[in-house]
Amino acid sequence: DTGVSQNPRHKITKRGQNVTFRCDPISEHNRLYWYRQTLGQGPEFLTYFQNEAQLEKSRLLSDRFSAERPKGSFSTLEIQRTEQGDSAMYLCASSPTGLGEKLFFGSGTQLSVL
Amino acid sequence: DAKTTQPPSMDCAEGRAANLPCNHSTISGNEYVYWYRQIHSQGPQYIIHGLKNNETNEMASLIITEDRKSSTLILPHATLRDTAVYYCIVRVAVRTDKLIFGTGTRLQVFP
Repeated sequence: DTGVSQNPRHKITKRGQNVTFRCDPISEHNRLYWYRQTLGQGPEFLTYFQNEAQLEKSRLLSDRFSAERPKGSFSTLEIQRTEQGDSAMYLCASSPTGLGEKLFFGSGTQLSVL
Repeated sequence: DAKTTQPPSMDCAEGRAANLPCNHSTISGNEYVYWYRQIHSQGPQYIIHGLKNNETNEMASLIITEDRKSSTLILPHATLRDTAVYYCIVRVAVRTDKLIFGTGTRLQVFP
């Protein structure tokens, strides 16, 4: 199965530390999305890449958050100086180029900030 | 912002049809209706989508009213594995093409 892969599955950190998550999309997919999900809520859009270009960022993405997709393949999401409010599931999705294509989601990284 | 309204929860007996309603009264002519579901501890999974015609695939059927202001997702023979949160999403197929999720309907299938 060559679905969307996210690592790590779980991350526990102390407030103030930096964390980085990785997403490996389906290999032929040019589009990559990051979402955040808190308990009882639907996923919230954070940012979007078309190949290596970051084309949209949500207002939810504060200056402490940065995402990269250096060669248009895997992507990383870094959170600096984590806060307890950053505790959430971080989901990555990918899709082929083309309007209306299905998004394929990974299983996410669960972040707990103590 | 999400443009859909769904009941927060529903129950269904195993083997029976599950009919999940969705209201999208402000939908525009170029907006599609998508359904995804999320099983506990997993990412959302695509189910089906449509513009104005009814659609069917191996997972479900989608019935869209003629005025397109509402739709119903039908799981014809629900199983325990269909227990999940179901999201109805109105999507404009332009630019970033992102999905905007609401809070969905939590479907509980019981034996």
